[in-house]
Amino acid sequence: DTAVSQTPKYLVTQMGNDKSIKCEQNLGHDTMYWYKQDSKKFLKIMFSYNNKELIINETVPNRFSPKSPDKAHLNLHINSLELGDSAVYFCASSQGSTGAFFGQGTRLTVV
Amino acid sequence: AQSVTQLDSQVPVFEEAPVELRCNYSSSVSVYLFWYVQYPNQGLQLLLKYLSGSTLVKGINGFEAEFNKSQTSFHLRKPSVHISDTAEYFCAVSVTGGGNKLTFGTGTQLKVEL
Repeated sequence: DTAVSQTPKYLVTQMGNDKSIKCEQNLGHDTMYWYKQDSKKFLKIMFSYNNKELIINETVPNRFSPKSPDKAHLNLHINSLELGDSAVYFCASSQGSTGAFFGQGTRLTVV
Repeated sequence: AQSVTQLDSQVPVFEEAPVELRCNYSSSVSVYLFWYVQYPNQGLQLLLKYLSGSTLVKGINGFEAEFNKSQTSFHLRKPSVHISDTAEYFCAVSVTGGGNKLTFGTGTQLKVEL
């Protein structure tokens, strides 16, 4: 049973489209995150939710909208996709400060 | 704000040799420190963490790291590497009251050669 699973694993889409990435964790953790890894492998946090409440919102364009229907799920919707949005998006979860568990990533390619 | 520096972008090493991957951090408050490993086309796996207590922490796959507060460092070591250790290694820090968000270094590519 995968601890943090996200779908899809690969996503190729055209500029201007809207797409969603889904994430689910079965670890019972209270906090979930979205991280972005760019082409140089640099990782940066985008959002964090704790018990369905948004607690961290880094300087991310408002085309990116996270949604957490319950504490086990955190989805990411992206409107009007741009070439610069191409990256690997990782979902993660944690309980307190013990370190985050990451999903396998979604490789988004905007053409 | 906190930051992490991994000075070595690539570290080549022969199999069965020891290795040290360097990590330095900057923070004005207490920190928690982590090392993650990323194999090609995979997610990040937690290798080890320092939260408090003993400054020498042991992790999975034979890795260990030492927290040095005076040097603001958290270097990762392994006494004898294997080909399967070839991967990208990331050092990360979180701070108390920071919502547990991780701030990552730029990563070190460990390449183990025969």
